[in-house]
Amino acid sequence: QVQLQESGPGLVKPSETLSLTCTVSGGSISSYYWTWIRQPPGKGLEWIGYVYYTGSTNYNPSLKSRVTISLDTSKSQLSLKLSSVTAADTAVYYCASYVITTPIAHYFDYWGQGTLVTVSS
Amino acid sequence: QSVLTQPPSASGTPGQRVTISCSGSSSNIGGNTVNWYQQLPGTAPKLLIYSNNQRPSGVPDRFSGSKSGTSASLAISGLQSEDEADYFCAVWDDRLNGVLFGGGTKLTVL
Repeated sequence: QVQLQESGPGLVKPSETLSLTCTVSGGSISSYYWTWIRQPPGKGLEWIGYVYYTGSTNYNPSLKSRVTISLDTSKSQLSLKLSSVTAADTAVYYCASYVITTPIAHYFDYWGQGTLVTVSS
Repeated sequence: QSVLTQPPSASGTPGQRVTISCSGSSSNIGGNTVNWYQQLPGTAPKLLIYSNNQRPSGVPDRFSGSKSGTSASLAISGLQSEDEADYFCAVWDDRLNGVLFGGGTKLTVL
């Protein structure tokens, strides 16, 4: 059973860079795509982007200019960096495994418990 | 406002059958498979239905999914109090070249 655990600062100042790490256990990081998803308090889910073990990435166009997702296969970790944050980036951030079985069939399989990041001075 | 439209709320009494709809377009639901996620209060979302109508191991067969054209539905039969949660549909969008989520439906068991 794959398990994911997010970690990182719970408070980030406006205009700074949000940095989170997700540690993967119970499975090979080379077996999946890996993704970040966020959820503002009391609101719905927003896909941020994904990375494959080859290093290829795909980002939500609305965040693309500010996002970097990367993998450290030696540590079984994926990371998220979101620059120039504002209060609108306050959310619970989840990492998840992303299964692509066919070109039209994709889904998020295992999820971390999520970590709340607040953007405030 | 999400490109995938879900009713904000739904309700039912124990034992009833309820359905939750998810409406999209040809660039998303019309050409790709739909997934449903259940989010119990204070917890992370959990995969409930994938590829329109497939249940992961451990998900009761009270939950079922279907898709027709540019719309999809989640049905819950034999409603139980522990089904009270938020439900989200999600699908790949060819125009966005990324994943879209519906706005979510809060299910209340009366």
